[in-house]
Amino acid sequence: EAGVTQSPTHLIKTRGQQATLRCSPISGHTSVYWYQQALGLGLQFLLWYDEGEERNRGNFPPRFSGRQFPNYSSELNVNALELEDSALYLCASTPGYEQYFGPGTRLTVT
Amino acid sequence: RKEVEQDPGPFNVPEGATVAFNCTYSNSASQSFFWYRQDCRKEPKLLMSVYSSGNEDGRFTAQLNRASQYISLLIRDSKLSDSATYLCVVNQGDYKLSFGAGTTVTVRA
Repeated sequence: EAGVTQSPTHLIKTRGQQATLRCSPISGHTSVYWYQQALGLGLQFLLWYDEGEERNRGNFPPRFSGRQFPNYSSELNVNALELEDSALYLCASTPGYEQYFGPGTRLTVT
Repeated sequence: RKEVEQDPGPFNVPEGATVAFNCTYSNSASQSFFWYRQDCRKEPKLLMSVYSSGNEDGRFTAQLNRASQYISLLIRDSKLSDSATYLCVVNQGDYKLSFGAGTTVTVRA
């Protein structure tokens, strides 16, 4: 069974630009979570999508947004990038409570 | 008070030793608990789920103490490959998951 996939693996942007990150969940999973993990820090919850709807969002500004498509894949958009947005962005899909993570997208903002 | 707190460590132990560490949570209504391991610069991988008093999987044992609101992870007969950061995750209900910052374990030869 294929796991959670994310693209791109690495992304380099300059301050003020926009970044788009993508995630494909495990087949059959309808829920997708997004997390930010800055270097040396724990996972910070960003967004939760289920059945195409945004169900919850973490304590992040509105320039972090996303959506979930009918095939349950998801996209995270970060507008007006700031240097402190540099982090590993992880996507997880879940059939219930146990989360299965993708390999992440490492975003570097210069 | 943070929702989930972990001793960051690091716990440095020799091969073959037993190591244990705790995770405390603030919400007494929390329903289920998970331990993940995360290797450096990699994604977290599910190690164990705990829905009742505890769980055991080979050398790994998780114990839940609801009265004192903590969950522990014990690793017996440590291997070099057990070196990782262990994340505690608490389901507070309504699919709200809270992550601890992780406990680093280093097993030395």
